[in-house]
Amino acid sequence: AQKVTQAQTEISVVEKEDVTLDCVYETRDTTYYLFWYKQPPSGELVFLIRRNSFDEQNEISGRYSWNFQKSTSSFNFTITASQVVDSAVYFCALSEDTGFQKLVFGTGTRLLVSP
Amino acid sequence: ETGVTQTPRHLVMGMTNKKSLKCEQHLGHNAMYWYKQSAKKPLELMFVYNFKEQTENNSVPSRFSPECPNSSHLFLHLHTLQPEDSALYLCASKDVAGETDTQYFGPGTRLTVL
Repeated sequence: AQKVTQAQTEISVVEKEDVTLDCVYETRDTTYYLFWYKQPPSGELVFLIRRNSFDEQNEISGRYSWNFQKSTSSFNFTITASQVVDSAVYFCALSEDTGFQKLVFGTGTRLLVSP
Repeated sequence: ETGVTQTPRHLVMGMTNKKSLKCEQHLGHNAMYWYKQSAKKPLELMFVYNFKEQTENNSVPSRFSPECPNSSHLFLHLHTLQPEDSALYLCASKDVAGETDTQYFGPGTRLTVL
């Protein structure tokens, strides 16, 4: 069975601090996909990144970076020099197949960035 | 309009009412999804439609009735709901044959059942 765990319910930081959001997943498949989505107060889930299980290269996009480690089944997300606009709920998700793609989400981590 | 739109954004209904949620995607996708987001629970997949055909019903009570008349539109018909059905209902779409393999979400409908 698939499962995604985001143990951090809420994180509060001050602007310009770096923050890491943890994601641990469980799957029996060798082929799977991992995602991060951002949900601002408006409610819409905004896609941030997709990573397949065969690509363990870390990725950096501006202030965002992702650390994928299959050995620990983790896909952590780091925001460098956080800004108030980063305040949102962040969801990690797992898909074991492509095609219709049934996403399994974690419970989310609420990030509060204060000025 | 661009992306995935949902109407209404907010809905309050009594348990005896009948209402419908609408989702429209302007991305040329061919798969559409309904999710339920309740407080302090993971997003729950409700239904999946692929090329207008329902391919997934995740044990959803019959008081929720989906309809997909074409690949661009998805409805969720609601009747005799319960207060515990109050949640944010999110629609998503995806290009099944595409390379990005990513679901794109709408802003959601915040439903309150009195």
